[in-house]
Amino acid sequence: GAGVSQSPRYKVAKRGQDVALRCDPISGHVSLFWYQQALGQGPEFLTYFQNEAQLDKSGLPSDRFFAERPEGSVSTLKIQRTQQEDSAVYLCASSGTLNNQPQHFGDGTRLSIL
Amino acid sequence: EDQVTQSPEALRLQEGESSSLNCSYTVSGLRGLFWYRQDPGKGPEFLFTLYSAGEEKEKERLKATLTKKESFLHITAPKPEDSATYLCAVQDNTNAGKSTFGDGTTLTVKP
Repeated sequence: GAGVSQSPRYKVAKRGQDVALRCDPISGHVSLFWYQQALGQGPEFLTYFQNEAQLDKSGLPSDRFFAERPEGSVSTLKIQRTQQEDSAVYLCASSGTLNNQPQHFGDGTRLSIL
Repeated sequence: EDQVTQSPEALRLQEGESSSLNCSYTVSGLRGLFWYRQDPGKGPEFLFTLYSAGEEKEKERLKATLTKKESFLHITAPKPEDSATYLCAVQDNTNAGKSTFGDGTTLTVKP
């Protein structure tokens, strides 16, 4: 497709379960970003990749959060031992380069932890 | 640490009633300021990038301006389809990959 694709769109999990969220960026985009968005708030930075290299993971809330992009295209955000506070919308974005380029967002995965 | 504050939190306008949204920012060195529109259940959609004070960008009924401390998104003669949340974000020179977002202004335009 032409845009950033995220799956699943909705995910419900029980507290303590592990989840994996997938992002397919725009073809050819070098940079990929993950954000967490709570209801009524703006997106908060989690991590970003340039190709397969994870250049900044300073926004990951704890060591339960892990992201990878092994071949420099599709990325997966994994959350282990989920907690209720992990409930949020997880947004993925991609851009052609890092320098001054706008980020193109997917529609997110809404994660609910019961 | 970069900071972005948007005001007002919510704005209700009648169709055709022009207004402005404010984005105040603190950043060590501005690489770029971005405006996005977000509809319910959707990801943010890019509108504008501004790079330096004095710069202006226009698209249909929207015009974005930038000073050294804030940016304004001016909406002229809005229509109901302009109803959305408008987000402002900054990137600084020390960390090109990270965008810091404000919490947005939710605009409602009544016919």
